[in-house]
Amino acid sequence: EAQVTQNPRYLITVTGKKLTVTCSQNMNHEYMSWYRQDPGLGLRQIYYSMNVEVTDKGDVPEGYKVSRKEKRNFPLILESPSPNQTSLYFCASRIGTDSNQPQHFGDGTRLSIL
Amino acid sequence: GNSVTQMEGPVTLSEEAFLTINCTYTATGYPSLFWYVQYPGEGLQLLLKATKADDKGSNKGFEATYRKETTSFHLEKGSVQVSDSAVYFCASSGYSSASKIIFGSGTRLSIRP
Repeated sequence: EAQVTQNPRYLITVTGKKLTVTCSQNMNHEYMSWYRQDPGLGLRQIYYSMNVEVTDKGDVPEGYKVSRKEKRNFPLILESPSPNQTSLYFCASRIGTDSNQPQHFGDGTRLSIL
Repeated sequence: GNSVTQMEGPVTLSEEAFLTINCTYTATGYPSLFWYVQYPGEGLQLLLKATKADDKGSNKGFEATYRKETTSFHLEKGSVQVSDSAVYFCASSGYSSASKIIFGSGTRLSIRP
């Protein structure tokens, strides 16, 4: 089954404790992206990747890192999480770099930073 | 730059009512337009899309027509069901094919039995 898988689905942690949210897709997609969803703000893009070893900042990259060492994986790293990063996070992928193609989303990761 | 504006929610309707969720866009060039749906506890799923002016996207009884003259892509359904309760996002492709997709802020829809 074609899917985007995120882990964990839920995490409660404390300020300053490094965490990684993993994202994996099995569709051989070139493009992958991370979003955060906050009430009233819709989805805002954090980082995206056009292909292996190619990543770039989205609209709200501060406090986040990503890597794309393999095509299928695109982990999101919070080196020193803070409470303002409490949010619902989504990973997405699409077949190529053309934004006219639809994206496929994971089921989300709800992070709470205390 | 490109932007998407959709009606604020929440929208509450009775089952079998007619639904319209408004969406307008600003864009350089001719973007593709999308509606995504997010059911509780899940990620976004593509509901329908349209790639050029006057195209009509449709799926699961929902429709939306790409109107260039009014820069709109309103979502409609003739008779909603309780199972349609979800958050709906309008989205536009970016100013070039290699750029990102732009999402509206989402509209929460609740259907009463």
